[in-house]
Amino acid sequence: EIVMTQSPPTLFVSPGERATLSCRASQSVSSDLAWYRQKPGQAPRLLISAASTRATGIPARFSGSGSGTEFTLTISSLQSEDFAVYYCQQYNNWPRTFGQGTKVEIK
Amino acid sequence: QITLKESGPTLVEPTQTLTLTCNFSGFSLSTSGVGVGWIRQPPGKALEWLAVIYWDDDKRYSPSLKSRITITKDTSKNQVVLTMTNMDPVDTATYYCAHTSYYNLWRGSYTRQYSPFAYWGQGTQVTV
Repeated sequence: EIVMTQSPPTLFVSPGERATLSCRASQSVSSDLAWYRQKPGQAPRLLISAASTRATGIPARFSGSGSGTEFTLTISSLQSEDFAVYYCQQYNNWPRTFGQGTKVEIK
Repeated sequence: QITLKESGPTLVEPTQTLTLTCNFSGFSLSTSGVGVGWIRQPPGKALEWLAVIYWDDDKRYSPSLKSRITITKDTSKNQVVLTMTNMDPVDTATYYCAHTSYYNLWRGSYTRQYSPFAYWGQGTQVTV
């Protein structure tokens, strides 16, 4: 099983500032990496697939990069709705696995 | 427009079997490459993938739960059902179903290029 490790567990950022979230896979997942945002009480929403492709309707302030084992999600200018928990997920191997999440909180 | 909605009991006794139904619209499980998966989330914890079923009845399970879960589909009803036996308090969670897919990629032979979970249901809370 591929273990996905996200860092940091919690990130304190001021509105309008940039946030950088990391995700590391225990072995290569090529570019088969997705990012989700989960607001309190809601289902996760797909932000990024294939490591760097924004999903339909996702604003350009979200960008993803990386391949192999190291991935990054960058939010260029945090909006109020972006204070949430973010998960990475690999879909290169079975079983599918998620990271433990990074909570982005208001600084 | 793709929508999914989970339904099932909110309270289950230990050792009982849980049966959850995912009703969906906007796509068909008879379409090549389409799949529906189940993911759960214990209170305050991370997401955990459970199982997925594809249009051709290909099924994949979480190894840690494989002995306890079964996923089936009813294409005519646009439904996917997850059953989980021998429920335990640690299985208390919100259970989500979600749409996924793949396409066949030629790389000297055909391989499946999978996609993540693009559409999710609202989730259903199950307490054991």
